[in-house]
Amino acid sequence: DIVLTQSPGTLSLSPGERATLSCRASQSVSSSYLAWYQQKPGQAPRLLIHGVSSRATGIPDRFSGSGSGTDFTLTISRLEPEDFAVYYCQHYGSSRTFGQGTKVEIK
Amino acid sequence: IQLLESGGGLVQPGGSLRLSCAASGFTFSSYAMTWVRQAPGKGLQWVSAISGSGSTTYYTDSVKGRFTISRDNSKNTVYLQMDSLRVEDTATYFCAKDVRSLPKDWFDPWGQGTLVTVSS
Repeated sequence: DIVLTQSPGTLSLSPGERATLSCRASQSVSSSYLAWYQQKPGQAPRLLIHGVSSRATGIPDRFSGSGSGTDFTLTISRLEPEDFAVYYCQHYGSSRTFGQGTKVEIK
Repeated sequence: IQLLESGGGLVQPGGSLRLSCAASGFTFSSYAMTWVRQAPGKGLQWVSAISGSGSTTYYTDSVKGRFTISRDNSKNTVYLQMDSLRVEDTATYFCAKDVRSLPKDWFDPWGQGTLVTVSS
């Protein structure tokens, strides 16, 4: 199975700043099978991005995904107070695995 | 779309529990369903999935032979029968809707989760 490694583990930023989260795969991810989720404390994960860069319904355009092969990025252009949360990347296709998560906290 | 899990609780090691996930707001039989778990303070782990028809099931290695996923399309409900439970199975269990009839894609949406605690 593909192993996904997210970095950094924690990102300390202020509202209005840009957040760049990384997700690296142990082998090439085929057919853009990469998704991102946001999880707030005590809540279920929420789909943000699928197919590397396609925003889910209702997701603001300050969230964007990019990358190919083994290196992927989730960018939040300007952090809003509600964006402070944990973010997970997920590979799908023949198998489905998650990264260990990146926590975006208020600096 | 709503997904509502139930059935979690405290169980002793070696015991059994059956989780349910009642779905509404979509044509249930047209979509695969998945269980994902999250140990306290930890990340997400895919556990099991079932195709829309119920004919095909999938499990992560650590639960094979102990957990059984099933669905009743007449009741719009997916189940996870958990036997021979271990301390390391302690987690919040989320059910999630796949986007196609075969479980190969991302998950949207997720239920709110049900907590399973395995402890003596």
